[in-house]
Amino acid sequence: ILNVEQSPQSLHVQEGDSTNFTCSFPSSNFYALHWYRWETAKSPEALFVMTLNGDEKKKGRISATLNTKEGYSYLYIKGSQPEDSATYLCASFSMDTGRRALTFGSGTRLQVQP
Amino acid sequence: EPEVTQTPSHQVTQMGQEVILRCVPISNHLYFYWYRQILGQKVEFLVSFYNNEISEKSEIFDDQFSVERPDGSNFTLKIRSTKLEDSAMYFCATSGALAGILGQFFGPGTRLTVL
Repeated sequence: ILNVEQSPQSLHVQEGDSTNFTCSFPSSNFYALHWYRWETAKSPEALFVMTLNGDEKKKGRISATLNTKEGYSYLYIKGSQPEDSATYLCASFSMDTGRRALTFGSGTRLQVQP
Repeated sequence: EPEVTQTPSHQVTQMGQEVILRCVPISNHLYFYWYRQILGQKVEFLVSFYNNEISEKSEIFDDQFSVERPDGSNFTLKIRSTKLEDSAMYFCATSGALAGILGQFFGPGTRLTVL
């Protein structure tokens, strides 16, 4: 069974704090790791797609790293703002289940207090 | 910016009834997907669709479920005889290439409530 795990489950930070979340995934038959940002009542929005070991991607104050050998990815938010409040989902695209499909973690719910 | 849309946003139905959930993909996308999230659980893959046929499906996607693209634009998910456990948020997603490996665009979801 393919298990994608995220931690922490939820996080409350103050505006201006920097924070990071973890996504762990099985490293066999791996194709790509996706990070999505999901605000309530909106569509999950793709933040990053990473495929290569050692990949680092950045979009504004948000960045992500990928280690495919040990099966983990970190998402960092520098100087959190209230508008960063959302659920951050990671998903592994692999063949591990015998089919090519995304397997999601349970998400990290971030709340940024002004 | 192009986006995936879904209708209805909320559907309430009686157990045993048929429901059809609709999705309008981004216009030049070729791969289409359905996912669901039961309250408090992870988002789960249901099915992927390419070139007018199912390319992958999960164990959840049994004979009660079907997908089609009837008019070349809408992509639909039909549940023939709904059960209480089908209550969930259903997401449509689409991608342009490489079977969604390099990213998928999600719709806002349809919340299905089965009574």
